[in-house]
Amino acid sequence: EAQVTQNPRYLITVTGKKLTVTCSQNMNHEYMSWYRQDPGLGLRQIYYSMNVEATDKGDVPEGYKVSRKEKRNFPLILESPSPNQTSLYFCASSLRRGWETQYFGPGTRLLVL
Amino acid sequence: GESVGLHLPTLSVQEGDNSIINCAYSNSASDYFIWYKQESGKGPQFIIDIRSNMDKRQGQRVTVLLNKTVKHLSLQIAATQPGDSAVYFCAENIRGSQGNLIFGKGTKLSVKP
Repeated sequence: EAQVTQNPRYLITVTGKKLTVTCSQNMNHEYMSWYRQDPGLGLRQIYYSMNVEATDKGDVPEGYKVSRKEKRNFPLILESPSPNQTSLYFCASSLRRGWETQYFGPGTRLLVL
Repeated sequence: GESVGLHLPTLSVQEGDNSIINCAYSNSASDYFIWYKQESGKGPQFIIDIRSNMDKRQGQRVTVLLNKTVKHLSLQIAATQPGDSAVYFCAENIRGSQGNLIFGKGTKLSVKP
């Protein structure tokens, strides 16, 4: 089944404790992206990747890092999480470009205490 | 600020009625639009898309209308069912931009049995 998977689905952590949220897609998509979704603000793009070793900042990149060493994986790294990063995070992928239909993962709900 | 927005944050309809969800966009250079459905606890799912060279596109029980004159997009759901209850949001691509989608904040559709 074609899908985007994320892990973990739920995470509670404390300020300053580094964490990684994994994202993987099995559709051989070139484009991958991370979003955060907050009430009243909608989806905001954090980082995106056009292909392996090609990443770029989205609208709200501060406090986040990403890497794209393999085509299928696009992990999101929070080096020193803060409470304002408490949010619902989605990974998405599309065949080649960000303006094409993006397929979303199930989401990761993060609480930073 | 976001160039994609929605007129109504919530919409309540009776089961079996037709639903119309609206989206306004402000950039006349937008040339591709997508509607997504997000059910509670899940990631956004693609519903239907439309390019700017079209005025109307139909899917299964859904129709998207594009009025470029007034920069307005609508999603019509025929014979709305309880399973249609979700948040719906539109996304646009601005021609010549980095090519990333810009997402609206969403409208919550509630279907009363």
